[in-house]
Amino acid sequence: DIVLTQTPLSSPVTLGQPASISCRSSQSLVHSDGNTYLSWLQQRPGQPPRLLIYKTSIRFSGVPDRFSGSGAGTDFTLQISRVEAEDVGVYHCTQLTQFPYTFGQGTKLEIK
Amino acid sequence: EVQLLESGGGLVQPGGSLRLSCAASGFTLSSYAMNWVRQAPGKGLEWVSVISVRGGTRDADSVKGRFTISRDNSKNTLYLQMNNLRAEDTAVYFCATEAEPGTLFYWGQGTLVTVSS
Repeated sequence: DIVLTQTPLSSPVTLGQPASISCRSSQSLVHSDGNTYLSWLQQRPGQPPRLLIYKTSIRFSGVPDRFSGSGAGTDFTLQISRVEAEDVGVYHCTQLTQFPYTFGQGTKLEIK
Repeated sequence: EVQLLESGGGLVQPGGSLRLSCAASGFTLSSYAMNWVRQAPGKGLEWVSVISVRGGTRDADSVKGRFTISRDNSKNTLYLQMNNLRAEDTAVYFCATEAEPGTLFYWGQGTLVTVSS
């Protein structure tokens, strides 16, 4: 199985400051069709997950442009350019390149 | 607007069965691959099962032989039949759709399954 390792697991951030979360995969996430099926999800407290970024860097409809994704192969990053109060929650990376689909452990974003 | 609404969760004894439902609206469920993902209390997300557009299914090893994913196209509804439930199956179960392959685009609110005597 592909293991996704997120760092940090907890990230206290000052409002208005940037934040960055890393997701490292145990295997390349490049699919045989050439796509890299690495996504980022946001889960606010008491809410279901919500898609932010898919195929490494494509921002989903309605997602603020302060969120961006980058990376390739086995190393991926989610960046928030200026953290807002509504960004508090847990961020998960996930891969649908290979069965079984897997998720990172989650990174808790908190406001300092 | 795409909406997914899960139901069928509850308290069940170890060894018991439950059937979860996920009613879809705003799109034709059979046009996309559909997944079940679960989250144990205070834990991360765990993929459970997928049913493809053609009806093929895949399951996580942890549920293989006990859980069955299916759909009723006439009702635009996804199901998860869960048999021989164990304490470690306790979780909120979400359905999620791949509006295009390789990404879980839309998620339901989830339904809680508690396995306990």
